[in-house]
Amino acid sequence: DAKTTQPNSMESNEEEPVHLPCNHSTISGTDYIHWYRQLPSQGPEYVIHGLTSNVNNRMASLAIAEDRKSSTLILHRATLRDAAVYYCILRLTGNQFYFGTGTSLTVIP
Amino acid sequence: DTEVTQTPKHLVMGMTNKKSLKCEQHMGHRAMYWYKQKAKKPPELMFVYSYEKLSINESVPSRFSPECPNSSLLNLHLHALQPEDSALYLCASSQSGGPQHFGDGTRLSIL
Repeated sequence: DAKTTQPNSMESNEEEPVHLPCNHSTISGTDYIHWYRQLPSQGPEYVIHGLTSNVNNRMASLAIAEDRKSSTLILHRATLRDAAVYYCILRLTGNQFYFGTGTSLTVIP
Repeated sequence: DTEVTQTPKHLVMGMTNKKSLKCEQHMGHRAMYWYKQKAKKPPELMFVYSYEKLSINESVPSRFSPECPNSSLLNLHLHALQPEDSALYLCASSQSGGPQHFGDGTRLSIL
């Protein structure tokens, strides 16, 4: 069973904000939410992670719902280099990482 | 440049061959991982090593045999693979509980 679900694809105009949603209705209290992105022919790249509170870093922001059953990755100003597949992942105890199906983001110039 | 190095980048092997995939990191991470990724699919967790001991095996067939000889190296030994095992094999490392750092993978083709 998929632990996270994401839309297959999304589009954004360059220099506009992007909100990438993720549902994780079976999350437990100790599971962390991670986001990675993957470019063609490369391994996934870490973007951000959190447990309960919203998080910000230089790449993005992570907004976590109060019940933790969903989260949203926010790219504040999309650039062409942000075009990638974005994965929402749950990290369970024991370093178990389970990738969602991923959202392919297209950035339109 | 990736901080996790995987070799070889490409591998073609027959179903009766024995080969190994190698992964190396020098970040002092004590958790290391193997994933399998089919085309246009997300990576699937195969194995997790913590402090050089196998802690998770996601019911992977025995034709895949992982090994962690020291804290910097992770191997995946392959024997009698099937055509459906053709995929990108990704290695990652992390501090326990921290973000993972991935290599760029080994693209494996089984003839």
